[in-house]
Amino acid sequence: QAVVTQEPSVTVSPGGTVTLTCGSSTGTVTSGHYPYWFQQKPGQAPRTLIYDTTNKHSWTPARFSGSLLGGKAALTLSGAQPEDEAFYYCLLSYTGARGVFGGGTKLTVL
Amino acid sequence: QMQLVQSGSELKKPGASVKVYCKASGYKLISYVINWVRQAPGQGLEWMGRINTNTRNPTYAQGFTGRFVFSLDTSVSTAYLQISSLKAEDTAMYYCAGDAFDIWGQGTMVNVSS
Repeated sequence: QAVVTQEPSVTVSPGGTVTLTCGSSTGTVTSGHYPYWFQQKPGQAPRTLIYDTTNKHSWTPARFSGSLLGGKAALTLSGAQPEDEAFYYCLLSYTGARGVFGGGTKLTVL
Repeated sequence: QMQLVQSGSELKKPGASVKVYCKASGYKLISYVINWVRQAPGQGLEWMGRINTNTRNPTYAQGFTGRFVFSLDTSVSTAYLQISSLKAEDTAMYYCAGDAFDIWGQGTMVNVSS
């Protein structure tokens, strides 16, 4: 099974910009991996921010965006807010529509 | 409003079985996929697999074969996760999520302890 890697922890200043990445042990992440990004706050279920690399849901704040960057999937937060402090998980899809989550990134806004 | 509502928390002994339900509210489970996700205490998310409500064909992730079974009762718009021969390491929150992970259940905590 593929291993999906994320930064364990990242810190961003309020109002700052940060990019979280999601890599695959199988090689370059492409749109064919249909990258998802999820936000999870303590005691809550995850919620989807980005699907299929770049697409946002109606509830996704405009300051979040998804892309492919340097062979990885990326989640960029522009103008970090205190309420963005959370865990962020990516999910990649592999052969047979099997998904693999990354280990998650703890984002601190400080 | 579309929702996925899960069954309540469970406390089970090792070796027992548990069946968690995930009921769709506000829509029918037709031409849809339900994903199951596990989160052990203090740990990350694990994709367990999915079931197609049209074909009833389940797909299981590595590590979730054998003791884990996904099933459906489309007449009541409900998906089920059954875990048999429970082990302490099955202690986790179990989530169901919709096709594109656009909708998540609230989670069901399963505690396995003697």
